[in-house]
Amino acid sequence: AQSVTQLGSHVSVSEGALVLLRCNYSSSVPPYLFWYVQYPNQGLQLLLKYTSAATLVKGINGFEAEFKKSETSFHLTKPSAHMSDAAEYFCAVIHGSGNTGKLIFGQGTTLQVKP
Amino acid sequence: DAGVIQSPRHEVTEMGQEVTLRCKPISGHDYLFWYRQTMMRGLELLIYFNNNVPIDDSGMPEDRFSAKMPNASFSTLKIQPSEPRDSAVYFCASSFGGVHSYEQYFGPGTRLTVT
Repeated sequence: AQSVTQLGSHVSVSEGALVLLRCNYSSSVPPYLFWYVQYPNQGLQLLLKYTSAATLVKGINGFEAEFKKSETSFHLTKPSAHMSDAAEYFCAVIHGSGNTGKLIFGQGTTLQVKP
Repeated sequence: DAGVIQSPRHEVTEMGQEVTLRCKPISGHDYLFWYRQTMMRGLELLIYFNNNVPIDDSGMPEDRFSAKMPNASFSTLKIQPSEPRDSAVYFCASSFGGVHSYEQYFGPGTRLTVT
């Protein structure tokens, strides 16, 4: 069965610093992987997705993630944090063979950006 | 497109009352998901539908919860009778299950408070 593990429930960075949010996956089939962001009092919004094409995926708001099969990782990065990036971030993997549409979400990582 | 629409946005009710949450998915999407989010348990999938048919309701907490999707543009989640521990934010999401898709689009959520 597919699953994802997000390392670190809280990450704090200074404005302008590198953002690195970690996600490791477990999957018996080639995975489809996603990163979502949730701003306060809002629903989740898709940041980016990996669907077995390019291993480096670029998303919205300057975020990107790299799929590394050897490390079973899909970490999210942004070169320079902005105050508006403060939010909760969720990594997710498609359940099963991809035909169910069901996503398995990680527990989330709260990103704090300090001025 | 207006995105996923949920109503009401906020609901305050007394223990024992019936609560009905509503969702209108994005037109053309064939999957609909109901989630619950709390501080303690994070984001939980309650049930999801494909082409209006319930596929997996294993996340529904107990018989007090029921969900329906009478047509492609409307779904309800009902709690009867409601209890204080049902207090949470309930999200509806929809997706299109085509190849290389499956990203889910979330509504703004309904914040339920049961007193």
